[in-house]
Amino acid sequence: GAVVSQHPSRVICKSGTSVKIECRSLDFQATTMFWYRQFPKQSLMLMATSNEGSKATYEQGVEKDKFLINHASLTLSTLTVTSAHPEDSSFYICSAFTSGRTSSYNEQFFGPGTRLTVL
Amino acid sequence: DAKTTQPPSMDCAEGRAANLPCNHSTISGNEYVYWYRQIHSQGPQYIIHGLKNNETNEMASLIITEDRKSSTLILPHATLRDTAVYYCIVRPTWGAGSYQLTFGKGTKLSVIP
Repeated sequence: GAVVSQHPSRVICKSGTSVKIECRSLDFQATTMFWYRQFPKQSLMLMATSNEGSKATYEQGVEKDKFLINHASLTLSTLTVTSAHPEDSSFYICSAFTSGRTSSYNEQFFGPGTRLTVL
Repeated sequence: DAKTTQPPSMDCAEGRAANLPCNHSTISGNEYVYWYRQIHSQGPQYIIHGLKNNETNEMASLIITEDRKSSTLILPHATLRDTAVYYCIVRPTWGAGSYQLTFGKGTKLSVIP
């Protein structure tokens, strides 16, 4: 199956700093990438949808100025958590979607996640 | 809002079949049923999906009732590595929202030695 990577897998930062998380589709081009957030013992919550070359669409309640998303190419999307605070500590997961894989209906592939801890 | 209902947890003996139910009574005619699972501290993994016919792949079988209001995911011979949270998701095949997956709370399956 298609592979999606995330980097870093784990990051610890001080309150007030910014953290960038990368999401890459390794063997396919992703027209759309999704960013999710997951707090302990809770389900995944969609934060935003990003399409290559255009602005991201944020879900209600997600601050677009705090969670900056850039989808500059068909294989890379980045999420930057600006001025991070302890309440931003969470597990961030990306997924990549492509409509070109006609041999499979499973169009959305998930990355392994990034554990962010803000001290 | 998630459009599915699943039991919060289930246990299964290793080597036995695990049958995970899902209710989706408001499913529309153009919506697929998808199953994903998430092993602790990992990203979700696709398992299987179906529209109205039963489906089988190397990982599992999906049984969808004739009225499509519920389905069952079957892991034929559960192993300890199948311990995970299993998510049942309905998703349109086209139109608004067809790209998005909305995760509910899922079922925590524990495979017991």
